[in-house]
Order: sequence, then C-alpha cells, then structure tokens
Amino acid sequence: ETGVTQSPTHLIKTRGQQVTLRCSSQSGHNTVSWYQQALGQGPQFIFQYYREEENGRGNFPPRFSGLQFPNYSSELNVNALELDDSALYLCASSPGRSGGDEQYFGPGTRLTVT
Amino acid sequence: KQEVTQIPAALSVPEGENLVLNCSFTDSAIYNLQWFRQDPGKGLTSLLLIQSSQREQTSGRLNASLDKSSGRSTLYIAASQPGDSATYLCAVPEGGSWGKLQFGAGTQVVVTP
Repeated sequence: ETGVTQSPTHLIKTRGQQVTLRCSSQSGHNTVSWYQQALGQGPQFIFQYYREEENGRGNFPPRFSGLQFPNYSSELNVNALELDDSALYLCASSPGRSGGDEQYFGPGTRLTVT
Repeated sequence: KQEVTQIPAALSVPEGENLVLNCSFTDSAIYNLQWFRQDPGKGLTSLLLIQSSQREQTSGRLNASLDKSSGRSTLYIAASQPGDSATYLCAVPEGGSWGKLQFGAGTQVVVTP
C-alpha cells in the first residue's frame, strides 16, 4: 500500500470526447508524475508537476494536460480522445524532484476509447 | 537518450527454481535503479531501489545487483513460488536531476506449481 490513490479504476469513452483522471499523492509528496502504459509495454512518461508547476514533459501532444493542487491531488486531462489513447494511466508521487527520490505508484486507471 | 532493455521478455519456471531477471541501460550516469512488480491490469509495486553508490540491495528472497560500468542490473528471486508470477520492470531516472523514469518493457514471469 503506497498511499497513492487514483480514480476512477476503469473508464470507457468515445473517440473525440474529453476525460479527466485523478490522483491523490502521499501527504508531503510535492512531486507527481503521470505515465501511460500501453498493453505489453513499459510505462511512458507524460509529464511531471512539482509544487503545482509543470516540471518536465515527455513526447505527448498538448491535448494531454495536467494540474496539481496544494492538497496533494492532481489531474490528467486528455482532450479529443483517440483510439490509441486506450491504456493504463499511472500516477506516481515522490517527496522532491530529484532523480534520486523513490517514486510510489498508484493502482492506475484503465481507459478504453471506442 | 537513456534506453532500458529487459531480456528475456517472458520466462516460465517450475516452483522452487531461482529466477534471474536482467536489465540493461545505455547511459551509466544514473542516480539509482528501481525494480517494480506489476500484476495484470494493476499498478506498480516497488520491490527494490538501488542507489548509484550501491552494488546490491536485498529484501527477503529478492536480491538486486547493479553494475553501472557495464550498464546492467540483475534481479534474483530465490526459491520461486506461484505467487511470484507477475511482470517485473526495471526503471532508471532519465538524465539530469529530475524524476522522469525510463522503463524497460518488462519480463513476464510464470511460476508453475
């Protein structure tokens, strides 16, 4: 049990719709990262937030956006959903933004786009 | 650009055998290396974190070694059990001081009774 929670567990959306996924980090963890994991692959980094500001971004288009709130919760928003967006979305929290910090993952949200 | 490779992609062993899982990375300037376990459709559970200054880390039946100079880490699981069946992933922070993790594709392990 990492103390990182995500909601919802599963979600089905139609192509072109918008979706918001939520994550609650461990208390005191100022960094949250979001990853996309397609079936049979390792997680791919989407972006990271540190103290409510974006701290780095992977190779994802601008229709993937995020927010981090002072209460250690965060959101991943995806606009204009495409079939290829179907994946497991994971958030991870860590105390600081150093590469030396251990990251703690939530259980994930399974998104299916039809 | 850091690349992480895990071989083999899948492994099946009978119960009681020792498991050896390999992870290689291209850039040896890493802060640490983390091993994770993932059950089907679930999130990642951290197993071991090896700092760059360490050569190995142990937790119960698990032992992970790190050789930065050769860009390799090995996860050993002693006396495997059917409950060890899962996908095992390794990850290293991408270069620099921030926490983006670069993952391998994982090794899917099946331990048969």
